[in-house]
Amino acid sequence: QQQVKQSPQSLIVQKGGISIINCAYENTAFDYFPWYQQFPGKGPALLIAIRPDVSEKKEGRFTISFNKSAKQFSLHIMDSQPGDSATYFCAASGGGGGFKTIFGAGTRLFVKA
Amino acid sequence: DVKVTQSSRYLVKRTGEKVFLECVQDMDHENMFWYRQDPGLGLRLIYFSYDVKMKEKGDIPEGYSVSREKKERFSLILESASTNQTSMYLCASTPSSTDTQYFGPGTRLTVL
Repeated sequence: QQQVKQSPQSLIVQKGGISIINCAYENTAFDYFPWYQQFPGKGPALLIAIRPDVSEKKEGRFTISFNKSAKQFSLHIMDSQPGDSATYFCAASGGGGGFKTIFGAGTRLFVKA
Repeated sequence: DVKVTQSSRYLVKRTGEKVFLECVQDMDHENMFWYRQDPGLGLRLIYFSYDVKMKEKGDIPEGYSVSREKKERFSLILESASTNQTSMYLCASTPSSTDTQYFGPGTRLTVL
């Protein structure tokens, strides 16, 4: 009930391509869905987040698509750049999760120049 | 600007030692968290605190304890370090459960 499943585990994309990372959750009470970006040697930092009252949120080259009925959400990185190479975590919190944020296992993205 | 600091970036300890990891946030956040990060396992919650002197077990509390005597400071204690506690430890804080978590830079702990 509290899991967030993330795929793929790793991803290699050509520069300029689209990177897509998918997540699925089980608890319908979650009401906050952030994505975090982590560079080597650093802590994760918020990249973009969405609440379930909208189906899409875009910030620059980063877009979250949210499908409430399927209990799935995804991160799209358009025009991927080598500087986007990092580990990405999806997460879910609020509602039935109480104080906790539940994180996906992470996706290591490598963008080839 | 939001800031979460951790006392050490790298730490090497011996099996059986008592280890203290400290975290300080300057945002007056109510909630603070300790995670450990291991390859392929993502971020696993060890303990969290939603108020001074309050603490709750996370998913993997065994072998760890915590202390929160002041709002801005949350300490993780390894009572008797073991080699399977070698990991990256991340501290985070947030004003509420439905808001951004702000992470520190992490402490890479090696137990020999």
